[in-house]
Amino acid sequence: GESVGLHLPTLSVQEGDNSIINCAYSNSASDYFIWYKQESGKGPQFIIDIRSNMDKRQGQRVTVLLNKTVKHLSLQIAATQPGDSAVYFCAERALLSGGSNYKLTFGKGTLLTVNP
Amino acid sequence: DTGVSQNPRHKITKRGQNVTFRCDPISEHNRLYWYRQTLGQGPEFLTYFQNEAQLEKSRLLSDRFSAERPKGSFSTLEIQRTEQGDSAMYLCASSLGSSNTEAFFGQGTRLTVV
Repeated sequence: GESVGLHLPTLSVQEGDNSIINCAYSNSASDYFIWYKQESGKGPQFIIDIRSNMDKRQGQRVTVLLNKTVKHLSLQIAATQPGDSAVYFCAERALLSGGSNYKLTFGKGTLLTVNP
Repeated sequence: DTGVSQNPRHKITKRGQNVTFRCDPISEHNRLYWYRQTLGQGPEFLTYFQNEAQLEKSRLLSDRFSAERPKGSFSTLEIQRTEQGDSAMYLCASSLGSSNTEAFFGQGTRLTVV
């Protein structure tokens, strides 16, 4: 069956350091991989996505890397700030049974704590 | 407000009672999703609407659960005869078009069944 999981449940970094959050996936048919940030008491917030035919995509202070050979996804956050403290989920987009619509399958999440 | 709105934010109910949650998606979004999230876990897909049509239901959605989107705008999720295992955060998300991966989530309704 399909699954998306995370290597590390918690990550603690110092303010200003770079953070790397990892994710493993198993569904080779997924066409997009997405990172979401969830702060306490809030719904997940889109950060960045990457199409399955790409291996790297950069956003503002974030970079997502995709290694399809080992089915591994990572989110790199540069110059981590206290406001980055949250739970980070990777998700994969896969087709629903109808064949033309999609759902997201989420991993378990990594709690990122940024120490001042 | 241009975000996804969910009501109520919190609901405490006794086991066996029925509850109904409401989701107002972003106005131009034709796709609406319901997810359930338990503590420490990622959201799990429950069901999906394109406009008013419910196109997909997860195996997680037992016959006690029903969702509607009668006019293709707001949606409701009803749980009948609630059980303690139904306690979770119920999240609604909306998106525009199948090529858009950026689903916007609401803040969720936290259900506690006592």
